[in-house]
Amino acid sequence: SQELEQSPQSLIVQEGKNLTINCTSSKTLYGLYWYKQKYGEGLIFLMMLQKGGEEKSHEKITAKLDEKKQQSSLHITASQPSHAGIYLCGALNSGGYQKVTFGTGTKLQVIP
Amino acid sequence: DTGVSQDPRHKITKRGQNVTFRCDPISEHNRLYWYRQTLGQGPEFLTYFQNEAQLEKSRLLSDRFSAERPKGSFSTLEIQRTEQGDSAMYLCASSPQGGEKLFFGSGTQLSVL
Repeated sequence: SQELEQSPQSLIVQEGKNLTINCTSSKTLYGLYWYKQKYGEGLIFLMMLQKGGEEKSHEKITAKLDEKKQQSSLHITASQPSHAGIYLCGALNSGGYQKVTFGTGTKLQVIP
Repeated sequence: DTGVSQDPRHKITKRGQNVTFRCDPISEHNRLYWYRQTLGQGPEFLTYFQNEAQLEKSRLLSDRFSAERPKGSFSTLEIQRTEQGDSAMYLCASSPQGGEKLFFGSGTQLSVL
């Protein structure tokens, strides 16, 4: 079965600093999701990557899927308190529907 | 687009009781999913419906769990004879046919005492 490892597990940064979260898969990725979760709430879709080398950006968040399609990174530029939360990467299974295997998450705190 | 709605938001029950959760997906979405999330972990896939047909069930879904989507719209997840290990956040998600986004509800937090 596919496993996703996220690093770091937690991160505390000063407001305005840049940061990177990594997600490594044990198998080739057919598609990779990034979601954000506030404590005790549902998941908010950030972006999805499917092609090796693909890079997507939304506001100050950029995600990239490496060429070999087994690793992804999420980069936040000039972090703000609103970026705080748990970031989850998820691997799309090959069945043609959104059965997703999630990593354990990275908890981000942004200190004003 | 009113989003995915789940009810209740919180449920506290005693061990051995039965509980039922409801999920209302986004109206035009024919795909519906249930996931379970325990503290400090990512969500784990439980089951998938396309319209009213349940097409996949995880091994995590023991005989005490049953999910239905009778008319291809809302879905229910029932847990019989709850155990303390069932305590978790139960998340529902939906997506349209061919869509790439998975839209999640706010979840039902279950606590079994």
